[in-house]
Amino acid sequence: EAQVTQNPRYLITVTGKKLTVTCSQNMNHEYMSWYRQDPGLGLRQIYYSMNVEVTDKGDVPEGYKVSRKEKRNFPLILESPSPNQTSLYFCASRLSASSAYEQYFGPGTRLTVT
Amino acid sequence: ELKVEQNPLFLSMQEGKNYTIYCNYSTTSDRLYWYRQDPGKSLESLFVLLSNGAVKQEGRLMASLDTKARLSTLHITAAVHDLSATYFCAVDMYGNKLVFGAGTILRVKS
Repeated sequence: EAQVTQNPRYLITVTGKKLTVTCSQNMNHEYMSWYRQDPGLGLRQIYYSMNVEVTDKGDVPEGYKVSRKEKRNFPLILESPSPNQTSLYFCASRLSASSAYEQYFGPGTRLTVT
Repeated sequence: ELKVEQNPLFLSMQEGKNYTIYCNYSTTSDRLYWYRQDPGKSLESLFVLLSNGAVKQEGRLMASLDTKARLSTLHITAAVHDLSATYFCAVDMYGNKLVFGAGTILRVKS
């Protein structure tokens, strides 16, 4: 089954404790992206990747890092999480950035930073 | 900077009624997407609109795109309870990212 998977689905952590949210897709998509969803703000892009080893900042990259060493994986790293990063996070993938195909979204990761 | 505005942000409607959700955006784009999100769930793709005048229909939902007016609409016909969800429009910005509207929470009352 074609899908985007994320782990963990739920995470409660404390300020300053480094964490990684994994994202994997099995559709051989070139383009992957991370979003955060906050009430009343819709989804905002954090980082995106056009292909392996090619990443760039989205609208709200502060406090986040990403890497794209393999085509299928695009982890999101919070080096020193803070309470304002409490949010619902979605990973998404698309065949390529230039394609007009839809983006496929993962199930989401609900992160709480205390 | 591309801005995407949806209205209304909250819509409560009776079953059987018709209504339209509007999505305005601030800069030129000819790709627009509509998504549905159920509570606690991920986003489900509804429509991909790729050119001026594009119209797509699925069941009781119909989406259209007017790139000259920078406006897309999602029209709901004879609403049913199962359509209750949050609906997002998203505009494709040069293929690099999608910029989302804030979402419209739709509640259909029986």
